Amino acid sequence: GQQLNQSPQSMFIQEGEDVSMNCTSSSIFNTWLWYKQDPGEGPVLLIALYKAGELTSNGRLTAQFGITRKDSFLNISASIPSDVGIYFCAGFTGANSKLTFGKGITLSVRP
Amino acid sequence: DGGITQSPKYLFRKEGQNVTLSCEQNLNHDAMYWYRQDPGQGLRLIYYSQIVNDFQKGDIAEGYSVSREKKESFPLTVTSAQKNPTAFYLCASSPRDRYQGFFGQGTRLTVV
Repeated sequence: GQQLNQSPQSMFIQEGEDVSMNCTSSSIFNTWLWYKQDPGEGPVLLIALYKAGELTSNGRLTAQFGITRKDSFLNISASIPSDVGIYFCAGFTGANSKLTFGKGITLSVRP
Repeated sequence: DGGITQSPKYLFRKEGQNVTLSCEQNLNHDAMYWYRQDPGQGLRLIYYSQIVNDFQKGDIAEGYSVSREKKESFPLTVTSAQKNPTAFYLCASSPRDRYQGFFGQGTRLTVV
């Protein structure tokens, strides 16, 4: 089946640093989504991307839909302690409403 | 307020018993989804439904069943046939034409 690759599994950064996360796939997706999940809670949608090449910002977060439609990245600028959590990418083909998730990256921010 | 509600937050069941997890949304979304989350596994799709009275199997449907009798409700039954049911279960909904998955807070099921 379709798979989304996120690596590394964990990232550790210093407060105030920028961090970038990639998500890649061997398949083409029509929609890319980025989510953040806090422990014991449901994922919260951060950014949705619907067009190849699209660059979208949400506060300190910026995400881009890759031109090939097989990748996306998320950038967090000037990190703060509350950025800690698991960040998931997800892709949607639109063919049958099936959404595929990456395994997530756990972000830790040192004060 | 509009949103998606899962209940209960925590659920305990004895092995061999069926259990039904509730998912309700008042966002008027056509599509609804059930995911299972295990540590280090990400989210895996169990079942999804695009319209009332219709649903499709996801990647790990064995041992689960669903119904979609109303647009706002998509309950998931974890049957005794599910070999490893202890997990965190997440329900999501979305408009059909422009995917924006909105998740509930999840139900943590523990089978003892």
